[in-house]
Amino acid sequence: NAGVTQTPKFQVLKTGQSMTLQCAQDMNHNSMYWYRQDPGMGLRLIYYSASEGTTDKGEVPNGYNVSRLNKREFSLRLESAAPSQTSVYFCASRRIAGHNEQFFGPGTRLTVL
Amino acid sequence: LAKTTQPISMDSYEGQEVNITCSHNNIATNDYITWYQQFPSQGPRFIIQGYKTKVTNEVASLFIPADRKSSTLSLPRVSLSDTAVYYCLVGDMRSGGSYIPTFGRGTSLIVHP
Repeated sequence: NAGVTQTPKFQVLKTGQSMTLQCAQDMNHNSMYWYRQDPGMGLRLIYYSASEGTTDKGEVPNGYNVSRLNKREFSLRLESAAPSQTSVYFCASRRIAGHNEQFFGPGTRLTVL
Repeated sequence: LAKTTQPISMDSYEGQEVNITCSHNNIATNDYITWYQQFPSQGPRFIIQGYKTKVTNEVASLFIPADRKSSTLSLPRVSLSDTAVYYCLVGDMRSGGSYIPTFGRGTSLIVHP
């Protein structure tokens, strides 16, 4: 099993450009999450999907959109990138109940110039 | 959302036992306590989870007093490879998709030779 995979690993954008970060998990988990982590900070939740077909805002959703394409895939879109969105983005998944363990992907390091 | 408070940083030496305490004064009855470890440039990794008293696994122990307003992660005989950031989270693992994890800034542990 690959666990949680993310693409791309690195990306540089210019202000105003758009892009989609991809995330996929092969553990048959129901819940998926997108976080951002700025230098020296903890992770902040952007959006989450409790189950296929549902998405909800987290702590810092402004400037982002998400799509839960199917049970495996959860994408994060930046419609018009801003320098404040320079960060490392992590995707995670979790079984719907019974344990709080989340499985994290390797992250996408995004720089917006 | 239950809030947690941890020391910003700790230092230790190889071979010592390290105890990191987390305060969660407003923990709810159904909340479980979960600890994660994060190395630089990687996503967090689950360490241990507990509800009350003591939980032990192959890498750590978790001590939770009767009032559950705090918890202590114990790492026995640390090595240089235990240098990482440690996060304490609380949440109801039975809430299914509505479990919204909140990562604080964590505790940066540095292990010295």
